[in-house]
Amino acid sequence: DTEVTQTPKHLVMGMTNKKSLKCEQHMGHRAMYWYKQKAKKPPELMFVYSYEKLSINESVPSRFSPECPNSSLLNLHLHALQPEDSALYLCASSQVEAGEECEQYFGPGTRLTVT
Amino acid sequence: KQEVTQIPAALSVPEGENLVLNCSFTDSAIYNLQWFRQDPGKGLTSLLLIQSSQREQTSGRLNASLDKSSGRSTLYIAASQPGDSATYLCAVSGTSYDKVIFGPGTSLSVIP
Repeated sequence: DTEVTQTPKHLVMGMTNKKSLKCEQHMGHRAMYWYKQKAKKPPELMFVYSYEKLSINESVPSRFSPECPNSSLLNLHLHALQPEDSALYLCASSQVEAGEECEQYFGPGTRLTVT
Repeated sequence: KQEVTQIPAALSVPEGENLVLNCSFTDSAIYNLQWFRQDPGKGLTSLLLIQSSQREQTSGRLNASLDKSSGRSTLYIAASQPGDSATYLCAVSGTSYDKVIFGPGTSLSVIP
């Protein structure tokens, strides 16, 4: 099984809402990632969990809050988002060997629209 | 700061042609380089991963090379098909596991 699943596929939320994006993999990977991708742009790394250790991208606003309940699950909690946060949110996972991450596998993404 | 560029930004070729996509990076201290394809509105599909100690990788009609000293990677696609139409992205992993930088991508269109 080389699949990374993401739910929901589409999400529309108001600026005062609280919602969560979910990501799951069963490949035994020990690193999981959140990316944000705007239209016609490459993905930008937001967060990485590796062996349950969080690495935060400094440019990510606090209205985005990641959570890793276990090595197979990754959540992204959203609160008080802005319209400019509308984007495709991609989850990925990879194995970690000798401290280096290996091939990344991506999920299909969640298309988020903030109104 | 690592910067990744890709040339060309867009490419249109007739079916059956062989083609080369280019990826350049400014900091040669990388762990690996990965090539992906992305269909419109979809997630990324991994094509090839080249570790920093490797020179090339092959999968089917695809061949990727890596020259760390010159900061370049190329993706060679043989006998292109309309199904190859997509955006191709390269990504480098830098000196820390959380330093993953993508290039802007090359939009490929293969005309039947």
